[in-house]
Amino acid sequence: NAGVTQTPKFQVLKTGQSMTLQCAQDMNHEYMSWYRQDPGMGLRLIHYSVGAGITDQGEVPNGYNVSRSTTEDFPLRLLSAAPSQTSVYFCASSYGASSYNEQFFGPGTRLTVL
Amino acid sequence: AQSVTQPDIHITVSEGASLELRCNYSYGATPYLFWYVQSPGQGLQLLLKYFSGDTLVQGIKGFEAEFKRSQSSFNLRKPSVHWSDAAEYFCAVGVVSGTYKYIFGTGTRLKVLA
Repeated sequence: NAGVTQTPKFQVLKTGQSMTLQCAQDMNHEYMSWYRQDPGMGLRLIHYSVGAGITDQGEVPNGYNVSRSTTEDFPLRLLSAAPSQTSVYFCASSYGASSYNEQFFGPGTRLTVL
Repeated sequence: AQSVTQPDIHITVSEGASLELRCNYSYGATPYLFWYVQSPGQGLQLLLKYFSGDTLVQGIKGFEAEFKRSQSSFNLRKPSVHWSDAAEYFCAVGVVSGTYKYIFGTGTRLKVLA
């Protein structure tokens, strides 16, 4: 099993550009989520999904869109990049639509917006 | 509102010394509690979790944590720290609030002196 994979590992964008961060898991996990990690702020939840076709907002959803058309994939879209979105982004998945299971994290995407 | 507090941003210990990392949570129901470790440039890895039963939980790499309901705490401990334990540690709580999600603390960065 590859676990949770994320692409790209690094990305530099200009203000106003759009892009999609890819996340895939091969563990048949229902629950998937996106976090951003900023110094001194820990991990903050952007969006999450409890199953295909079901998504919900987390703590910091503005400027980001998600969709979940399959169990395996959960892409994160930046609609119009801003310097405030410079961060490290982590995708995670867990078994079952619950919050008592371990989350498995991807290696992260480091995004810089100029 | 649900929250997780890790009061120590940085901790420095000597190799072989004991370690305790503090975590306090705010949540109205019985929490599901987690400790994760993040090595530099990596994703997060689960150390241990608690959701019921024995309040002293054993994890990987010789770590343990104790759930104290009266103090709303879930402190992480290790009797003898190794240089390889240098990393950032995150406490998290799994909540059920209409749906399911996880809330992370801001992290504690551990430095180990040789």
